[in-house]
Amino acid sequence: KQEVTQIPAALSVPEGENLVLNCSFTDSAIYNLQWFRQDPGKGLTSLLLIQSSQREQTSGRLNASLDKSSGRSTLYIAASQPGDSATYLCAVEETSGSRLTFGEGTQLTVNP
Amino acid sequence: DTGVSQNPRHKITKRGQNVTFRCDPISEHNRLYWYRQTLGQGPEFLTYFQNEAQLEKSRLLSDRFSAERPKGSFSTLEIQRTEQGDSAMYLCASSPPGTYYGYTFGSGTRLTVV
Repeated sequence: KQEVTQIPAALSVPEGENLVLNCSFTDSAIYNLQWFRQDPGKGLTSLLLIQSSQREQTSGRLNASLDKSSGRSTLYIAASQPGDSATYLCAVEETSGSRLTFGEGTQLTVNP
Repeated sequence: DTGVSQNPRHKITKRGQNVTFRCDPISEHNRLYWYRQTLGQGPEFLTYFQNEAQLEKSRLLSDRFSAERPKGSFSTLEIQRTEQGDSAMYLCASSPPGTYYGYTFGSGTRLTVV
């Protein structure tokens, strides 16, 4: 059974800092890995999708990397802003079109 | 059609009552998923449709839960005889045919059972 773990569970940083969120998964035979953002009481917003054949994806200040063999992904946020405050969720898809298995998320607070 | 739409946004119900939620996916998406999320946890998979066919159901989906997707369009999730433990955010997601496109989630329905 696939298990996804996110570290740290919570993170508080001053504005402007670069930061890294970690995601690990137990079964390396994944199809995709997707990072989401969730604001309190809201649904999920997709940030980045990394295909199993890719090593990283970038969007603006966000960069996600994937190391399938070690079962790890990182989400790098550059020059953090208060508007980045949210919960960040990592999810893996084991076969095309199948269910996503989520981690419990990292709650990020960026202080002005 | 700008995204996945879920209704209602919030639902408060008394224990023992039945509730039904609706999800309208992005029109060209043939796959539709239901997830449940409790406070402080990541979403957990409930069930999955490809067109009108329900292809997979989680063991979390007890006999009190039923989901449908008539004609492969919108989907409904019904919970019968609600219990306090059913209180959660119910999220719907859809994805297009093909590969490597990821999932688009709706804003969710927050259920509170009192």
